[in-house]
Amino acid sequence: GENVEQHPSTLSVQEGDSAVIKCTYSDSASNYFPWYKQELGKGPQLIIDIRSNVGEKKDQRIAVTLNKTAKHFSLHITETQPEDSAVYFCAASIEGAGSYQLTFGKGTKLSVIP
Amino acid sequence: SAVISQKPSRDICQRGTSLTIQCQVDSQVTMMFWYRQQPGQSLTLIATANQGSEATYESGFVIDKFPISRPNLTFSTLTVSNMSPEDSSIYLCSVATPWYFGPGTRLLVL
Repeated sequence: GENVEQHPSTLSVQEGDSAVIKCTYSDSASNYFPWYKQELGKGPQLIIDIRSNVGEKKDQRIAVTLNKTAKHFSLHITETQPEDSAVYFCAASIEGAGSYQLTFGKGTKLSVIP
Repeated sequence: SAVISQKPSRDICQRGTSLTIQCQVDSQVTMMFWYRQQPGQSLTLIATANQGSEATYESGFVIDKFPISRPNLTFSTLTVSNMSPEDSSIYLCSVATPWYFGPGTRLLVL
């Protein structure tokens, strides 16, 4: 089955700096890669996703890049703010063909220092 | 995006008892999913619930311990049976695709 590795496990940045979280996956058939933000006491919130026919996707201060050859994808947060502090999870899935398996990385705790 | 609510939001239970968690979605969905998130850990799929059929359980999870109901296309329940302290976790309901998650039920078993 799919295996998703996520690094780093913790990340501290100064407010205004950029943060990068990296994930690798093992199954070359995976074609859907969502990112979730989980704040304390809340459920995971989908913040951005990317499909394998796209190399990069941006949404304001958040961007995700995908390298299918190397089987890795990354989350980039620019101009970080204290409210970006949370645990971030990457995940991988095979969309279509009746598959509904979503495999998560172990998470990255991001702390943005004011 | 789907809006998912769960009840209760949190509970403290005694070992040996059972708790039923409810999940309500604001739109009709074919498949609903139940996840467990142990303290400080990632999410692990417990089972997939299709309306009108038996739930499909992942390795390490069994129906006797985690019975699931799916009476219609907007609602599901997960029961955690004969609880022990090891069952203390966050239990999350989800729908796909994309995958959206409910706020979770925080369970503490004493």
